[in-house]
Amino acid sequence: AQTVTQSQPEMSVQEAETVTLSCTYDTSESDYYLFWYKQPPSRQMILVIRQEAYKQQNATENRFSVNFQKAAKSFSLKISDSQLGDAAMYFCAYRRPAGNTPLVFGKGTRLSVIA
Amino acid sequence: NAGVTQTPKFRVLKTGQSMTLLCAQDMNHEYMYWYRQDPGMGLRLIHYSVGEGTTAKGEVPDGYNVSRLKKQNFLLGLESAAPSQTSVYFCASSYWTGGQYFGPGTRLTVT
Repeated sequence: AQTVTQSQPEMSVQEAETVTLSCTYDTSESDYYLFWYKQPPSRQMILVIRQEAYKQQNATENRFSVNFQKAAKSFSLKISDSQLGDAAMYFCAYRRPAGNTPLVFGKGTRLSVIA
Repeated sequence: NAGVTQTPKFRVLKTGQSMTLLCAQDMNHEYMYWYRQDPGMGLRLIHYSVGEGTTAKGEVPDGYNVSRLKKQNFLLGLESAAPSQTSVYFCASSYWTGGQYFGPGTRLTVT
């Protein structure tokens, strides 16, 4: 079974600085999807970024980018120019390519942003 | 376009009572999911559906039932609530590919 591990329960970053959240996963599949979700205090789960395993290029969405290392099964999220609104729980998630397979989530990293 | 909505947002039940949580999506997604979120446990899948009239068990299905009579709706039922089912429940939907879109969550307390 696939597993997703987030080894940092909590992280903090100064406003305007850069922070990297770690995620590793275990799978025997060669094709899959990876995601980062943000959950602010409102509890809403917000999709931040996604990566298809067959793409070598790392995904980028504005201030958010990933470092996808397929051989190492590593999928880290980099947040640049951190803002107070970035404070939230961040969940890494994995999904097999077949449409009827749900997400497997890590346990999350709580990010604090210090003004 | 409301996305994914959940009803109710909060509920308190006594042990043994029953209730149904409603999830609705207006994005014409084929796939719908129910998760529960507990402190320190992340999100765990309860049941999911790959289309109207179909359902499947997830990681923690015991004590829950689901139905998908219409494509846009996915219902989660608790027949006899237990304190262990105190949690925040999230519904999500998706296309065949891509990420899942989540509802705002339902906070359920069973006393």
